[in-house]
Amino acid sequence: GNSVTQMEGPVTLSEEAFLTINCTYTATGYPSLFWYVQYPGEGLQLLLKATKADDKGSNKGFEATYRKETTSFHLEKGSVQVSDSAVYFCALSDRGGATNKLIFGTGTLLAVQP
Amino acid sequence: NAGVTQTPKFRVLKTGQSMTLLCAQDMNHEYMYWYRQDPGMGLRLIHYSVGEGTTAKGEVPDGYNVSRLKKQNFLLGLESAAPSQTSVYFCASIMGQGGITGELFFGEGSRLTVL
Repeated sequence: GNSVTQMEGPVTLSEEAFLTINCTYTATGYPSLFWYVQYPGEGLQLLLKATKADDKGSNKGFEATYRKETTSFHLEKGSVQVSDSAVYFCALSDRGGATNKLIFGTGTLLAVQP
Repeated sequence: NAGVTQTPKFRVLKTGQSMTLLCAQDMNHEYMYWYRQDPGMGLRLIHYSVGEGTTAKGEVPDGYNVSRLKKQNFLLGLESAAPSQTSVYFCASIMGQGGITGELFFGEGSRLTVL
């Protein structure tokens, strides 16, 4: 079945450091891929998405490229801020199927220190 | 804009008690979901609905029941709570219709503790 694997956290960085959070997936067909972010005490919010191979999603300085050949959707940011501290979830949807569900990874906690 | 609203936000139950979590959305979304979030486990899908009057099992449905009598509401019930159901529960919704390519909207969560 479809699944998402994320790097385990926590990831601890200093402000202005470069961020990479790895995400790989297993899916049949052509899923859409997403990154969601959860700030402390809140629900999840969509950060960015990509719906087909080679698409790049971007938002708030974060980027991720849909790589079909490596089945990956790694999240990157060039210079993190303390306000980026949150849990990040990679997710996929079976766009062509009938499941109508999002499959989430286990989440990666990012802690940015001043 | 209310979006997705969950009630209650916090609840403490004793083992064996029952309760219902209510999720309400005002965006006319077709699809609604209940997830639970546990440390190290991420989000796991409990039940979902693809339209009024429909429900389907997710990844971890045992011990839970759901109903979608009205399009805007999705209820999650625990008939006999167990300590293993201590978790944070999230409701989410999306327009749907043809698969998920857009944004899933989440509520703020309901923290349930079963003693």
